[in-house]
Amino acid sequence: EDQVTQSPEALRLQEGESSSLNCSYTVSGLRGLFWYRQDPGKGPEFLFTLYSAGEEKEKERLKATLTKKESFLHITAPKPEDSATYLCAVQAAEGGGNKLTFGTGTQLKVEL
Amino acid sequence: EAGVAQSPRYKIIEKRQSVAFWCNPISGHATLYWYQQILGQGPKLLIQFQNNGVVDDSQLPKDRFSAERLKGVDSTLKIQPAKLEDSAVYLCASSLRLAGSYEQYFGPGTRLTVT
Repeated sequence: EDQVTQSPEALRLQEGESSSLNCSYTVSGLRGLFWYRQDPGKGPEFLFTLYSAGEEKEKERLKATLTKKESFLHITAPKPEDSATYLCAVQAAEGGGNKLTFGTGTQLKVEL
Repeated sequence: EAGVAQSPRYKIIEKRQSVAFWCNPISGHATLYWYQQILGQGPKLLIQFQNNGVVDDSQLPKDRFSAERLKGVDSTLKIQPAKLEDSAVYLCASSLRLAGSYEQYFGPGTRLTVT
């Protein structure tokens, strides 16, 4: 069974204080690892897809990396508007569907 | 480009009542998903459609949940009868195709409260 574990559950940062969120996964063959951002009362917003170990992707202050067992979402010099819950999900290569298996998320709060 | 539309946004019902949710995916997206997100958890897939056919409904509680996508565009998800544990946000998502790894785009969700 595919599993995704995210840590920490919650993270409080000062504006400009860089940090990383962790996503550990087990999957029977990885097709893709996805990062989403979710604001309160809204649906998840797509950020990145990573396909193979060693791959990196960046978007503004966010950078996602992937190894064979985990992914990191690095946040550089965060701003209050980066406050949200960040969700990690995996998609298995086996099986005919595109099911995403999600972790429980990391709730990020960036303060002035 | 318009995103995934869902209605209603909020619904409060009593246990044993029935409820239906509606979803309109992004234009041209052949694959549609319904997820259930319980407070404090990540979304869990309930059912996946490719055009109007079911690809995966292994996690759908079929004794009380049903879903359809008759013309390969809009979809409805129904719960009958509802239980207290069905209180959650029901998210609809769509993606361009089934084959390959395509990102899924989510709607705003319907927050269901069962009392």
